[in-house]
Amino acid sequence: KNQVEQSPQSLIILEGKNCTLQCNYTVSPFSNLRWYKQDTGRGPVSLTIMTFSENTKSNGRYTATLDADTKQSSLHITASQLSDSASYICVVSPFGNEKLTFGTGTRLTIIP
Amino acid sequence: EPEVTQTPSHQVTQMGQEVILRCVPISNHLYFYWYRQILGQKVEFLVSFYNNEISEKSEIFDDQFSVERPDGSNFTLKIRSTKLEDSAMYFCASSARDRGGGTDTQYFGPGTRLTVL
Repeated sequence: KNQVEQSPQSLIILEGKNCTLQCNYTVSPFSNLRWYKQDTGRGPVSLTIMTFSENTKSNGRYTATLDADTKQSSLHITASQLSDSASYICVVSPFGNEKLTFGTGTRLTIIP
Repeated sequence: EPEVTQTPSHQVTQMGQEVILRCVPISNHLYFYWYRQILGQKVEFLVSFYNNEISEKSEIFDDQFSVERPDGSNFTLKIRSTKLEDSAMYFCASSARDRGGGTDTQYFGPGTRLTVL
């Protein structure tokens, strides 16, 4: 069964600090991996999309990495801001269909 | 910047009633999706829609659910006879192109919170 596991479940860091969120998946065959940011009560917003051939992709202060061999990805946030407080969701797309598999997310809280 | 819109933002209904959730995708997008998120749980894929027909659906999307694009702008999700367990946030999304292996971004709407009493 296709699964996406994320860790930690929640994380609290001080404003200005960096953090790294982890994602492990079992989706196969694999097409691409996406990271989304979801504010409470809102729809997910795309941060990055990586295909199996890409190792890293950046979007401003967000940098995602992908190791397709070990089926792991990480999202690194640099110089965190209060507005980064949200859930960060790892989403994996299988090859050949559109049924995205979502992780349960990491709830990130930035404190001043 | 174009965005996906959804109405209503919150719908309360009695068990057994029919509900229609509405979405207006981004105007030049061709692929449309519905997802649901039960409170405190992960987002789940329901259905994808392209060229006026369903292209993929999940096990959740049973005979109680249907989707339609009644005109050139709206995309609707109908639940024929709601159950308590249908209570969730329902998200609509659209993309320019995302066909198994494609990597186009899906843009999500703000969601409709459905409460079934």
